[in-house]
Amino acid sequence: AQSVTQLDSHVSVSEGTPVLLRCNYSSSYSPSLFWYVQHPNKGLQLLLKYTSAATLVKGINGFEAEFKKSETSFHLTKPSAHMSDAAEYFCVVSTTSGTYKYIFGTGTRLKVLA
Amino acid sequence: NAGVMQNPRHLVRRRGQEARLRCSPMKGHSHVYWYRQLPEEGLKFMVYLQKENIIDESGMPKERFSAEFPKEGPSILRIQQVVRGDSAAYFCASSMRQGNTDTQYFGPGTRLTVL
Repeated sequence: AQSVTQLDSHVSVSEGTPVLLRCNYSSSYSPSLFWYVQHPNKGLQLLLKYTSAATLVKGINGFEAEFKKSETSFHLTKPSAHMSDAAEYFCVVSTTSGTYKYIFGTGTRLKVLA
Repeated sequence: NAGVMQNPRHLVRRRGQEARLRCSPMKGHSHVYWYRQLPEEGLKFMVYLQKENIIDESGMPKERFSAEFPKEGPSILRIQQVVRGDSAAYFCASSMRQGNTDTQYFGPGTRLTVL
C-alpha cells in the first residue's frame, strides 16, 4: 500500500531565504508523486509531478522537487521564498493500480516572514 | 477551458437536513473523484466515478452518503441527515484518463457547515 509522510506540519522562513518542505513516500512500485498547494479557503493547485521521467522535476513559481529512490523522498524546494508562497502544501502519491486515487500527506503549512 | 466547477462554494445546513454538492468536471474529463478535508487535516479519498458508474466507493461512510455521475449533468455528492461531524470541505477532482501518471484537477471545494 502507498503512503506519504510529511515530516513537518509547520515551516517558517524569512522572505528571500530557501524553502525546504520534506516528504517521504512508501510504495511497492514506481510511484507517481505530486505536490499541490492550497491557499487559504481555496482549491488545490498542482505545483509539479513526478512520473518516472527525470528525477529533478521543475514546477510552477520557481518550485522544484527531486525524486530520490534510495531515500524514498520527494522533497520540495525553492531557492528564495516570496510572501505569496505562504500556504498549505500537500505531498501526494497516486495508487499504482485500481482506481489511481490520491493519497495525501497531512500537509505542511508554510509561513513566510517579512 | 473552464476548470473543475463546484457549487455551492459554501453550504450551511442544520442537523438532520440533506446536503447536495455538485461538481462539473473539466471539459473532456470523464473521471471524477471526491475527497473530504476535515479541519486541519489532509484530504481523504471518498469515491471515484465514471459516467453512470461508481467504480470505487471504499472511502465513503457506509450510511447517509451517496454519489452519482449521470450521463448528463454534474456529479452529485449527497449527504442525508447531516450531523456536525460532516462539517468539512469537500473537493471534487477530474482527470482525462485513468492512470497513475494522470493529473487530477481540483475544484475550489464546497465548505459545508452543519449547525
